[in-house]
Amino acid sequence: EVHLVESGGGLVQPGGSLRLSCAASGFTFSSFEMNWVRQAPGKGLEWVAYINRDGSKMNYADSVRGRFTISRDNAENSLYLQMNSLRPEDTAFYYCARDPGGQQLAFDYWGQGTLVTVSS
Amino acid sequence: SYELTQAPSVSVSPGQTARITCSGDALPKKYAYWYQQKSGQAPVLVIYEDTKRPSGIPERFSGSTSGTMATLTISGAQVEDEADYYCWSTDSGGNHGAFGGGTTLTVL
Repeated sequence: EVHLVESGGGLVQPGGSLRLSCAASGFTFSSFEMNWVRQAPGKGLEWVAYINRDGSKMNYADSVRGRFTISRDNAENSLYLQMNSLRPEDTAFYYCARDPGGQQLAFDYWGQGTLVTVSS
Repeated sequence: SYELTQAPSVSVSPGQTARITCSGDALPKKYAYWYQQKSGQAPVLVIYEDTKRPSGIPERFSGSTSGTMATLTISGAQVEDEADYYCWSTDSGGNHGAFGGGTTLTVL
């Protein structure tokens, strides 16, 4: 059974940094592209970042490009999101989501999410 | 940036058919995916590649497309189907994706 577990969320001041982790199990992690998707409380879903299978290609939403970095460790079956220069509008639940590997970017399995709150 | 448009809410009585639509310019060329999100829970994939249903998703969930519109149909909606539903797709170049704004389905 596919299992994705996020961690690392919490309260951080504007301008601060936070590193999220996602532990994957139940599938061959290195064979799948991965993503981060976020959801501000009471709002809709927003795709944040993508990484390919070997970590050599990444892509970001315009809203986070230059501030967030997605990475992965296939030996540890883990996905990461380094978030710098955080803003109040980055407050959200952050989900890691597996890409099923079809013709376009998409998501089939999601973690339960970790809450990031950016506030002074 | 690419945009997908959904109606904010749909309401049906139990046993009726609920139809949730999603419009986007690239939908004739790109697949639509549908996600169900119940209150306080993570999203769950209910339809992929326009019409396919993942294992474990009830047969009452189906997907279709016509031109620039994708439709999620719940035939014989049940109270447990109450949730927010989001469509997802990408632009024609495949470089930019978007979720629709979400549709809240009420079954009562």
